This record gives sequence, C-alpha cells and structure tokens, in this order.
Amino acid sequence: QKEVEQNSGPLSVPEGAIASLNCTYSDRVSQSFFWYRQYSGKSPELIMSIYSNGDKEDGRFTAQLNKASQYVSLLIRDSQPSDSATYLCAVGLRDDKIIFGKGTRLHILP
Amino acid sequence: DAGVIQSPRHEVTEMGQEVTLRCKPISGHNSLFWYRQTMMRGLELLIYFNNNVPIDDSGMPEDRFSAKMPNASFSTLKIQPSEPRDSAVYFCASSSGLLNTGELFFGEGSRLTVL
Repeated sequence: QKEVEQNSGPLSVPEGAIASLNCTYSDRVSQSFFWYRQYSGKSPELIMSIYSNGDKEDGRFTAQLNKASQYVSLLIRDSQPSDSATYLCAVGLRDDKIIFGKGTRLHILP
Repeated sequence: DAGVIQSPRHEVTEMGQEVTLRCKPISGHNSLFWYRQTMMRGLELLIYFNNNVPIDDSGMPEDRFSAKMPNASFSTLKIQPSEPRDSAVYFCASSSGLLNTGELFFGEGSRLTVL
C-alpha cells in the first residue's frame, strides 16, 4: 500500500518566522511531488511542485526533496496569518496515480 | 476559463437513496480524478480517467460506488445505495498534459451527508 505520511499538527508558528512542514512517502520510484494548500471549507490548490533532488524556491516558499530518504519538505519564510491553512503533501506514483497525505494544519500566530 | 465545476455543492439524503455527483472538467484537460475527503482518512483517490477511459478504480470502496465519463466534458460518481459512512466531501479534479507531472485543478467539492 503506497502511503504519504505527514504530522497532522497543528503546527503553530509566530508571524514572521519560518514554518517547516515535512512529509515522507513509501514508494521508492515516485518521481513527482507536490504541496497543496487547503483553506478551511475550500478545495486544495497547488503551491509547489518538485521533481528532482534538492531545493526549489518560489517567493517565500521552498520545497526540498531527498529521494534517498524518501522525504519532502516545505519551508515558508516570513510566515503570514494568511498562510494559516492545511498543507497537503502529494506524490505521483509510477501508475500515474497522485495520492495525498492527510495534511498538516498550520497556524500562524499574529 | 470557468474551472472545474461540480454539482451539487451540498447533498443531504437518507440511507439507501441513490446519490449522483457530477463534474465538468476544464476544457482541454485529458485527465480526471475523483477524490473523497474526510477528517479521519484525509483525501482518498477513488478513481481516475485518462482520455475518458477509467485507468484505476482500485480506490472505489465497494460495489455501491460507480463512476463514468461518457465524454471529455462530463463525469459522474454514483453511490447506490448510500450509507451514513459515505458522508464526506467529494472532489473532482482535472489535469492537462502528462499524468503525474501536471497540476491538479480541483472543483469546489460536493459535500454529502447521508442520514
């Protein structure tokens, strides 16, 4: 059974600090990795995708991938109250499925 | 573009009734996914289609669930008969280009409550 694991949180971070979200996955041959943000009562929206080992930066967001450790992370710099949401880690499997972790609730403290 | 359109947004029904959820993907997208989201189980993949063909339905919980995609612009997810444990938010998402590398665009979801 392919799985994506995340700490459910809540993760509380002071405004302006760095929020660090982590994810592990079980399928060694996965090639694509995504972070989605979901506000309460809304649908998920893509914020980052990463396909190769290393870091990928987009504005205040940095995704990090380590395939050897089967580990993906998301860093949010200069956290804002508007970043308070649930962050879903998603993994693309070899058979073209995209499966999600249960998400980490992030709360930015003003 | 209007985005992925789902209907109904909310459905309340009684146990044993048939439920049909509908989805219109983004025009030009060739992949369509049905997910179910609950607090306990998170976002579960039920079935996905590529070019209107079901590729993998191993996530469909049981025979009470069925999904169709008769054409590129319409898909349905049917539950017959419905049970209280089917209560969840059902999301439809579509994607363009290669599977597994494209962004999923989600509809607003259909919140189902089975009494």
